[in-house]
Amino acid sequence: DIQMTQSPSTLSASVGDRVTITCRASQRISTWLAWYQQKPGKAPKLLIYKASSLESGVPSRFSGSGSGTEFTLTISSLQPDDFATYYCQQFNTYPYTFGQGTKLEIK
Amino acid sequence: EVQLVESGGGLVKPGGSLRLSCAASGFTFSAYSFNWVRQAPGKGLEWVSSISSSSSNLHYADSVKGRFTISRDSAKNSLYLQMNSLRAEDTAVYYCARGRTTGTTPSWFDPWGQGTLVTVSS
Repeated sequence: DIQMTQSPSTLSASVGDRVTITCRASQRISTWLAWYQQKPGKAPKLLIYKASSLESGVPSRFSGSGSGTEFTLTISSLQPDDFATYYCQQFNTYPYTFGQGTKLEIK
Repeated sequence: EVQLVESGGGLVKPGGSLRLSCAASGFTFSAYSFNWVRQAPGKGLEWVSSISSSSSNLHYADSVKGRFTISRDSAKNSLYLQMNSLRAEDTAVYYCARGRTTGTTPSWFDPWGQGTLVTVSS
């Protein structure tokens, strides 16, 4: 199985900060990676697909990059609505696997 | 509007069974693959199972293989998850999620339903 490891697990930041979350795959997955945002009590929401494609309707302050085994999600200028938990997911090979999540907290 | 609505969750005793449903609307159900993803209380997301558009390809996490069965009914625009031999560790919110692409291309998940809670406890 492909293991997905996110770092950090928790990130404290302020409104206006630029933040980056990293996701590492235990095997090469090309660009078959998605990023989701989840708020408490809500379903995950798609942000980025195929590593760097921004989902329609998602603010342009979100961006994704990477290929192979190393991927990043960057938020260029944090807004109050962005404080949530973020997950990466590989869909290169079954079983599809998620990272353990990164909780973005207000500093 | 593209929408997925899960139902069928509830409290069940260890060893019991439950069938989850996911009603789809707003798109051509038969064209897409579907997935079940669960989230235990306070934990992260765990992929559970996937079914292709034709039902010819089924995939399961090792943790549920042999106990859970995924299926779909295009006449009813519905996805199902039959869960047998339930264990305490199956307690979670279960989400259905559609694959975004059609055909056999690997696909990310969008949209997601709101989830249904399954609690396995005596």
